[in-house]
Amino acid sequence: GQNIDQPTEMTATEGAIVQINCTYQTSGFNGLFWYQQHAGEAPTFLSYNVLDGLEEKGRFSSFLSRSKGYSYLLLKELQMKDSASYLCAVMDSNYQLIWGAGTKLIIKP
Amino acid sequence: NAGVTQTPKFQVLKTGQSMTLQCAQDMNHEYMSWYRQDPGMGLRLIHYSVGAGITDQGEVPNGYNVSRSTTEDFPLRLLSAAPSQTSVYFCASSQATADRTTTGELFFGEGSRLTVL
Repeated sequence: GQNIDQPTEMTATEGAIVQINCTYQTSGFNGLFWYQQHAGEAPTFLSYNVLDGLEEKGRFSSFLSRSKGYSYLLLKELQMKDSASYLCAVMDSNYQLIWGAGTKLIIKP
Repeated sequence: NAGVTQTPKFQVLKTGQSMTLQCAQDMNHEYMSWYRQDPGMGLRLIHYSVGAGITDQGEVPNGYNVSRSTTEDFPLRLLSAAPSQTSVYFCASSQATADRTTTGELFFGEGSRLTVL
């Protein structure tokens, strides 16, 4: 079966750095996506990785290792507004998105 | 910019009732989809469409119907509501690739919270 694993919940301090991990086992791979979802709101696209390595976008970076079936989302200079759930999704060989259950990130002052 | 518009935002149904969730997008996206989101689970694809007149089943299609008569609209119909369909429903759209699949960069509507008693 296909599986995406992420921690259920993480806590970090305002101004700090946090890394949210995602491991996957899917039938084929056509890219990995990270989305942010604030409570009661819709998911919004954050990043896309298809090749190994680090993609940086402002305070957010996403890393991919296809050989290890592993990705992480790195959030720097945490702000209170970063409190949200972060969803990892993998596009499989049929170009369907397989979604993880999400990691709820709690930011403390 | 309206983006993806879903209605209604909230709905309470009794078991056996039917209803339609509306979804419209103004970005000229070929790909549209419906997801449900349940606590502790990832988003699950119900149905999707890669263009007007074309629909296909996702992971959890039973109990739901869709149609795509225009590029803009993609309604989701619950035929006979069951308590197991209590969930938050999201409509999402994206540009399509040359292979007529989603690019993966989805734009979501605000969600429709459905309770079936």
